[in-house]
Amino acid sequence: DGGITQSPKYLFRKEGQNVTLSCEQNLNHDAMYWYRQDPGQGLRLIYYSQIVNDFQKGDIAEGYSVSREKKESFPLTVTSAQKNPTAFYLCASSMGRLEGATNEKLFFGSGTQLSVL
Amino acid sequence: SQQGEEDPQALSIQEGENATMNCSYKTSINNLQWYRQNSGRGLVHLILIRSNEREKHSGRLRVTLDTSKKSSSLLITASRAADTASYFCATEIQGAQKLVFGQGTRLTINP
Repeated sequence: DGGITQSPKYLFRKEGQNVTLSCEQNLNHDAMYWYRQDPGQGLRLIYYSQIVNDFQKGDIAEGYSVSREKKESFPLTVTSAQKNPTAFYLCASSMGRLEGATNEKLFFGSGTQLSVL
Repeated sequence: SQQGEEDPQALSIQEGENATMNCSYKTSINNLQWYRQNSGRGLVHLILIRSNEREKHSGRLRVTLDTSKKSSSLLITASRAADTASYFCATEIQGAQKLVFGQGTRLTINP
């Protein structure tokens, strides 16, 4: 089945530790996104990537880092600089943005709940 | 402040009734999308309406868009217990390559 797989489902971080959240897609999508969701809130964009080896900061990139070495994979690292990392993290993908193309819908993974020990 | 703001924040109705949720936004958009999220899960795309469209239907869903008022509404007709979820609007802002999400409406359908 085609889709987006996030792992792990639950993750715990100790103080001062970096942790990496995995996101893999087999939809052959060019664009991938990371969102953060706090309880009862909407989604806020952390980072996004329109193509392999390129990514841009979203609205709340501080304390996070990403890489896009393969089309299928877009891992997110929550660094020790992120002082309030407890949240639900969602990865998404879309077909990709050709020049002038718009009106794309996002496909989401099932999320990773990150908590601080 | 949020690009997309939803109203109400929470809605509780009886099964079989219609549910209406509203979304307002601030800047010009290419399109507006509605997503559904069951508790602890990812979001699922429901419907996309482009800036030059006024109304769109998909099954029991009806979406309207009023660009002059910068607002949209999602109507779910003949609600079912399985419709219980949070519903989010998201706007694709003109000139941007990303979606901006509202804070969502939490819908509860009582059997």
